Amino acid sequence: DQQVKQNSPSLSVQEGRISILNCDYTNSMFDYFLWYKKYPAEGPTFLISISSIKDKNEDGRFTVFLNKSAKHLSLHIVPSQPGDSAVYFCAASDVLYGNEKLTFGTGTRLTIIP
Amino acid sequence: GAGVSQSPRYKVAKRGQDVALRCDPISGHVSLFWYQQALGQGPEFLTYFQNEAQLDKSGLPSDRFFAERPEGSVSTLKIQRTQQEDSAVYLCASRDVTGWILRRETQYFGPGTRLLVL
Repeated sequence: DQQVKQNSPSLSVQEGRISILNCDYTNSMFDYFLWYKKYPAEGPTFLISISSIKDKNEDGRFTVFLNKSAKHLSLHIVPSQPGDSAVYFCAASDVLYGNEKLTFGTGTRLTIIP
Repeated sequence: GAGVSQSPRYKVAKRGQDVALRCDPISGHVSLFWYQQALGQGPEFLTYFQNEAQLDKSGLPSDRFFAERPEGSVSTLKIQRTQQEDSAVYLCASRDVTGWILRRETQYFGPGTRLLVL
């Protein structure tokens, strides 16, 4: 049972435009969400996170939006740059309920077209 | 400072062979996690340590998988009698307890060990 889903395996965006990556989850106990970026042959790199008490968190070009009622979050990258080309993983945890592990989606490969 | 390091980076094993994968977490990080990432999938949780205590091993797929962290720093994931389905990237992550009250789950990952079982 896939508790965190990234339904788009790939996405191509023109440089300078907005990239929007989506993630859905089914476990209503999740209370903390993260986005990781992964380059080939490297481990995932933390990008941005959001707690369930918020609906938006912004860090430079990256903004994460959380819609708890829809169990949906999205990552916006504005403006998109060639270095943003990577695989992006959405992850979730329910730390307030004592569960320390991260549950990941299957990833979305983002390609920024120069 | 130095990040999470893992060794070896690549390992080829014959089916039935035992392997040991090492993780050096970020210095001072209390929590340590192991994940398995199959091709085309996201990382999947294997086990979790807080200091030397293994608090959650619910993700270990079989009793052939064993992890330890005897002194609360370096950790080793051991796979006995490897099978072809064990082929994957094994990722280690560590986390500080700063912000423990808020329990912010920012885990920092190593580069992984790519295991291929022939």
